Amino acid sequence: DTAVSQTPKYLVTQMGNDKSIKCEQNLGHDTMYWYKQDSKKFLKIMFSYNNKELIINETVPNRFSPKSPDKAHLNLHINSLELGDSAVYFCASSQGQRNSPLHFGNGTRLTVT
Amino acid sequence: LAKTTQPISMDSYEGQEVNITCSHNNIATNDYITWYQQFPSQGPRFIIQGYKTKVTNEVASLFIPADRKSSTLSLPRVSLSDTAVYYCLVGDWYGTDKLIFGTGTRLQVFP
Repeated sequence: DTAVSQTPKYLVTQMGNDKSIKCEQNLGHDTMYWYKQDSKKFLKIMFSYNNKELIINETVPNRFSPKSPDKAHLNLHINSLELGDSAVYFCASSQGQRNSPLHFGNGTRLTVT
Repeated sequence: LAKTTQPISMDSYEGQEVNITCSHNNIATNDYITWYQQFPSQGPRFIIQGYKTKVTNEVASLFIPADRKSSTLSLPRVSLSDTAVYYCLVGDWYGTDKLIFGTGTRLQVFP
């Protein structure tokens, strides 16, 4: 059983388009995250939601908008895609209390042409 | 910025023990040390976590000296499948430091 699943696995689109990436976790965790891993392999946190509430919002362009319909889902919508948005986006979850480790999905590779 | 410093890369051969050291000179009293492993085209995977002394699980051991300013991830008898990037993170239960990944150490295991 997949613990943290993301769809799609690959996403190729043109500049200016709007796209969404979906994430679901079946671990019963109350906190979910979006990370971006660029071509240099740096993993940077973008957002964190705890029980559907935004608790971390790093310096990310407001073209990126996370949405959490319930605590098992955290979707990422990106407006007006730019070339620099090309990266691998990882969803993760954890139990918000204490120092629970992060559980990651296998990523969505976004390519903007 | 990450609170940790690791070697960029390491090479090893199958069957050897590999020790990856992470420096965290500014570790705070409440900070834990957590290690993750990332294979190509996959998300990072939790390996081990500790606060002080030594922690061992079925995958690795984590050695933390008394001053906690560094930690060493020990992988016994590595195989080719241990080729991956290993990340060391430090942070406390409530802060965001524990979510910040540094550059990691790229371990290459040769036959």
